[in-house]
Amino acid sequence: EDKVVQSPLSLVVHEGDTVTLNCSYEVTNFRSLLWYKQEKKAPTFLFMLTSSGIEKKSGRLSSILDKKELFSILNITATQTGDSAIYLCAVEDRGQGGSEKLVFGKGTKLTVNP
Amino acid sequence: GAVVSQHPSRVICKSGTSVKIECRSLDFQATTMFWYRQFPKQSLMLMATSNEGSKATYEQGVEKDKFLINHASLTLSTLTVTSAHPEDSSFYICSARVGNSPLHFGNGTRLTVT
Repeated sequence: EDKVVQSPLSLVVHEGDTVTLNCSYEVTNFRSLLWYKQEKKAPTFLFMLTSSGIEKKSGRLSSILDKKELFSILNITATQTGDSAIYLCAVEDRGQGGSEKLVFGKGTKLTVNP
Repeated sequence: GAVVSQHPSRVICKSGTSVKIECRSLDFQATTMFWYRQFPKQSLMLMATSNEGSKATYEQGVEKDKFLINHASLTLSTLTVTSAHPEDSSFYICSARVGNSPLHFGNGTRLTVT
């Protein structure tokens, strides 16, 4: 059974701190790993990772994938209160016969205090 | 970019009634749409994969006769919760993708069954 485990489940930091969120996975037929940010409603896309060792960066956020060790990290530097959200890691399983699906972790709830 | 529109955003219904949720891809054609459910403090759980012109594929444990999915066109999928019960109260989110792009999510529907 596909499994995506995120840690920590909850994190409280002060503005300006740097945080690292973790995601480990077990899937039958890996296609990609994605990070989403969820505030009050639907998740918004952050990164899609398919290759090991290549860092993806967007402003203060960056992410990298290790396909050998089956994990990914999401880094946020110089955190701001607007970064407060639930960060979801999802792994896409190719499945069989084109039946791909996205399996989500439980998320890390990040709270950034002023 | 690709936009997925979901309607309604919030619905309250009485136990025993049915509720229909619509998911539209606004600027692209989606042969496949995905329906997720999210209970409070839980992650997104895939309910079913909706395929245009054919029957939906349901995940284990999801009752296909209770959660009716119709994908009549390339831009519209509907989820009908039949004979709703209070335990069906949840946040339902649809998503779709274009080609190999990441999933784009609708804004979700908060269903409350009284």
